Order: sequence, then structure tokens, then C-alpha cells
Amino acid sequence: DSGVTQTPKHLITATGQRVTLRCSPRSGDLSVYWYQQSLDQGLQFLIQYYNGEERAKGNILERFSAQQFPDLHSELNLSSLELGDSALYFCASSGRGSTDTQYFGPGTRLTVL
Amino acid sequence: AQKVTQAQTEISVVEKEDVTLDCVYETRDTTYYLFWYKQPPSGELVFLIRRNSFDEQNEISGRYSWNFQKSTSSFNFTITASQVVDSAVYFCALRGSGSARQLTFGSGTQLTVLP
Repeated sequence: DSGVTQTPKHLITATGQRVTLRCSPRSGDLSVYWYQQSLDQGLQFLIQYYNGEERAKGNILERFSAQQFPDLHSELNLSSLELGDSALYFCASSGRGSTDTQYFGPGTRLTVL
Repeated sequence: AQKVTQAQTEISVVEKEDVTLDCVYETRDTTYYLFWYKQPPSGELVFLIRRNSFDEQNEISGRYSWNFQKSTSSFNFTITASQVVDSAVYFCALRGSGSARQLTFGSGTQLTVLP
């Protein structure tokens, strides 16, 4: 158990809908990262937050957004869902140091029908 | 830009065989960090090891060992006396030294250990 929690574990929805994925980092970790794992794109970085502020953006679509709250949990919002958004979404967290390791949550499997 | 290449898409071995998973990386950073993660059939990503670019010592942890060679930009992972429970997808990842700490992952190697 990495200490990172993600909910829900599975999500099935229809095209055009909007969903919210939730992540709670390990105790004491200030950074939260979101990654998408799909068959065609592999594991891709989406976005990073550090202590409530956006720190880096990767290949995140404009239909996707995220935020990190004062209690350090994070939410990833996916809107106007398309079939191609079906994927496993991971959240990871890390601590303060320059050599910090990212520990991953169990992931949320999103299926868009 | 950073890049990680895992040329072996799938490897199949018989239990107790040794197996090496290859990882080649590209980066312009002089300081960087390399990682291996394991993704078992249950789907989670499990951290295995982190190696700093300034530390070229090889590491052994039980049946696992890692060979970091800066000269060839490689960070290979060897499992000795493989077991069925080692069956998983293994990912090599790279992080640079900038303020953004995101990982760049390779495409993964599916390892199947047959009984």
C-alpha cells in the first residue's frame, strides 16, 4: 500500500458526460501528479500541483482540469467525455526533497461508452 | 526533450531463469533520476528503485539488481531466479532536475514467468 488513495476505483459513463476523480496524497506529501495510461499513448503525465498551486502541465486536454485543495487532496475533472478518454488514471504524490520519489495510487479505470 | 526506450515489448521465461529488462534513456540534464516501477495484473504501479545520475553504483536487492551505465545511457534491471509472481509489466522512468518533477515513462516490458 503506497498510502495514496484514489476514488472511485471504476467509473463507467457515457460520451459527453463529466466526471471527477479524487486523490488523497500520502501524509505529508505536498506534490500531486496526475497521469493517464492508455493502450495507444502509454503512461503520460497530465498535470502537477504543489501545495495548492499548479506546477507543471503535460499533455492535458483543455476539456480536463484539476485542482488541489487546502487539505492537499486533488481532483481531476474530465468533461465532454469521448470514447478515447477511456483509460486508467493514476494519481501520484511526492515529498519536498529534490530526490523525492513519486508513489502511485491504485488508479481509477474510466470507461466511456 | 526526455525520452525512455524499452525495446523489449514482451519477454517470456520459465521459472528460475534469470531475465534482464533493458532501458535506454535520453536527456540533456546533467543531473537526473531514473526509476523502475512494476505494474502487476491488478493494475497498481509499485515503486521498485530510484537511481541518481551522480551515483553509478549498481544495486542489488534480493533477487533484483540494477545496472546503471551512464556511458551508454542505460539502466537495466535483472531478476535472478524468476518466479511466477514476478509476472508484470515493468516500466522504466526518467525525471530531470528542473522544478517540474514529472516522470517520463518508457512503453513498458510485459514479463511473463511460466511455471
